[in-house]
Amino acid sequence: QVQLVQSGSELKKPGASVKVSCKAFGYTFTSYGMNWVRQAPGQGLEWMGWINTNTGNPTYAQGFTGRFVFSFDTSVTTAYLQISSLKAEDTAVYYCVPSNSYYFDYWGQGTLVTVSS
Amino acid sequence: QSALTQPASVSGSPGQSITISCTGTSSDVGAYNFVSWYQQHPGKAPKLMIYEVTNRPSGVSNRFSGSKSGNTASLTISGLQAEDEADYYCSSYIINNNWVFGGGTKLTVL
Repeated sequence: QVQLVQSGSELKKPGASVKVSCKAFGYTFTSYGMNWVRQAPGQGLEWMGWINTNTGNPTYAQGFTGRFVFSFDTSVTTAYLQISSLKAEDTAVYYCVPSNSYYFDYWGQGTLVTVSS
Repeated sequence: QSALTQPASVSGSPGQSITISCTGTSSDVGAYNFVSWYQQHPGKAPKLMIYEVTNRPSGVSNRFSGSKSGNTASLTISGLQAEDEADYYCSSYIINNNWVFGGGTKLTVL
């Protein structure tokens, strides 16, 4: 069955970078684009964008351009989210969510990124 | 793209029915039949409850149903149970492979 296993929690200082990984199991990796969703503490879900795992073309939602980079490595069926120049407001749980349709039926377990000095 | 509008909270007693609204625009909810609903319990990942406005994934109780009229989609939960207490989010496809979520609704079962 489809399973997404994300990397563990991270504690970073402002200005640092972080790379979150999401390893996919149970489906053909390139058959699903990979979406990323952010959830700040006590807040709602925000769609950050997605990456086409066939072409490598990323799409970033408004507010997630510049410091956010989506990538993947098909050889290890893993997608990555890198955030640079971290700010306190980047503190959130980040979810990877594969999709090849108009809804999100499989979710990673989430990775908590905490940005604090 | 602005978030879809949901009520911050709704409540109901066990056995009752509740409806959560999700209001967008003619560019998102009103433009496509690609509204989905997610349930999220504290500390857990969201779970798909309804997709493409009215469809239930396998394993989701038939107490959950979805509908849409114009720019507003709705999730109805009938026969409320204690385990339904959770946060609920709507989502809609928008143009060019983009998506948007609602702000979320906290359901309290009294």
